Amino acid sequence: SAVISQKPSRDICQRGTSLTIQCQVDSQVTMMFWYRQQPGQSLTLIATANQGSEATYESGFVIDKFPISRPNLTFSTLTVSNMSPEDSSIYLCSVAGLAGGPSYEQYFGPGTRLTVT
Amino acid sequence: GNSVTQMEGPVTLSEEAFLTINCTYTATGYPSLFWYVQYPGEGLQLLLKATKADDKGSNKGFEATYRKETTSFHLEKGSVQVSDSAVYFCALYQGGKLIFGQGTELSVKP
Repeated sequence: SAVISQKPSRDICQRGTSLTIQCQVDSQVTMMFWYRQQPGQSLTLIATANQGSEATYESGFVIDKFPISRPNLTFSTLTVSNMSPEDSSIYLCSVAGLAGGPSYEQYFGPGTRLTVT
Repeated sequence: GNSVTQMEGPVTLSEEAFLTINCTYTATGYPSLFWYVQYPGEGLQLLLKATKADDKGSNKGFEATYRKETTSFHLEKGSVQVSDSAVYFCALYQGGKLIFGQGTELSVKP
């Protein structure tokens, strides 16, 4: 496995502002993903972060709202833009393809708990 | 489309009781199947996996068998401990994506 860190671990933000969440892995990985876990619910994939190109977004998620960067094989950021209370969730980074391992085995960061007031 | 359905929680058990958390899936072909666990205040951890029919995944005393005929991947443990209290997620992998069930909260009382 790998050590995956996320910053910040939690934040309380005002509506209309933006927050950038960082995800750092201690080894190179092929794939990085961003998920949202709304209170009491399961995880929903937001997008796949592609190194050196635009992220691939899932249905219902758009780049203007959730811009993603992935400048290298160990780091990615997710920005939650123009926040509203409905964006209050836990945001999770995950990685796959560790040390050439299979893409179906994903490992998750500890999450960022976001509250929008 | 692909989906995963888990038994609803919360599930409350006494220590040393037998645990079953049901999971069924809908998918084309033969996806890989997983159980993830989320301890309070932490991120998800991969608990066990099975990549083909009749495979049995096991870890930390937990087991699950990939049953193609019933499209199921039920999680079992013979004797739960208080430290097993967590939320358990069943998931399938297909088409480059992990699809999660809604999660089942387990509470184990001493």
